[in-house]
Amino acid sequence: GAGVSQSPSNKVTEKGKDVELRCDPISGHTALYWYRQRLGQGLEFLIYFQGNSAPDKSGLPSDRFSAERTGESVSTLTIQRTQQEDSAVYLCASSWNGMNTEAFFGQGTRLTVV
Amino acid sequence: TQLLEQSPQFLSIQEGENLTVYCNSSSVFSSLQWYRQEPGEGPVLLVTVVTGGEVKKLKRLTFQFGDARKDSSLHITAAQPGDTGLYLCAGDPGGSYIPTFGRGTSLIVHP
Repeated sequence: GAGVSQSPSNKVTEKGKDVELRCDPISGHTALYWYRQRLGQGLEFLIYFQGNSAPDKSGLPSDRFSAERTGESVSTLTIQRTQQEDSAVYLCASSWNGMNTEAFFGQGTRLTVV
Repeated sequence: TQLLEQSPQFLSIQEGENLTVYCNSSSVFSSLQWYRQEPGEGPVLLVTVVTGGEVKKLKRLTFQFGDARKDSSLHITAAQPGDTGLYLCAGDPGGSYIPTFGRGTSLIVHP
């Protein structure tokens, strides 16, 4: 596709349930990032994939959060046993080669935990 | 403590006014990016500044990178309602290639 695509756009889930968020990066982009944006806040880094290197998971807030990437394409962010504080917009971005910080973002997934 | 401090946090102005927003740090950056985010959307890259003292213009938007590469400013001339949004600066001081974002300046331009 022409841009970064995220699905679903909105997700409402009950506390304690698991959720999976999907990101399709721009074709040919080797770097992929996940960020979290709480209401009225800036972007909080979660995880970074670059090519076939081991991902940088230093931003994941707890072991309930995990992410995978298939080669240099689709990525899924999984949140297990969701809590109300997980409610936020989850943004995915991709970059040409991860050698600079110019990133192209999807529209985000708005997660609401009730 | 935020690595990138943006000011002001909020700005509400009338159409036609000029404004400047700031992005400051105590760290040196090899480059800084500016993004604009509209409600319900992801951030959109506006510009990258690389060289200390560099000035880049994008229509009515002027971006400047500080001589020491620790700060940057965005000046908008004759603001329009379409300029409304959250302006974010981002960079990577440590060579990890992971963009670190400031908290942004929320701009509202009233017709």
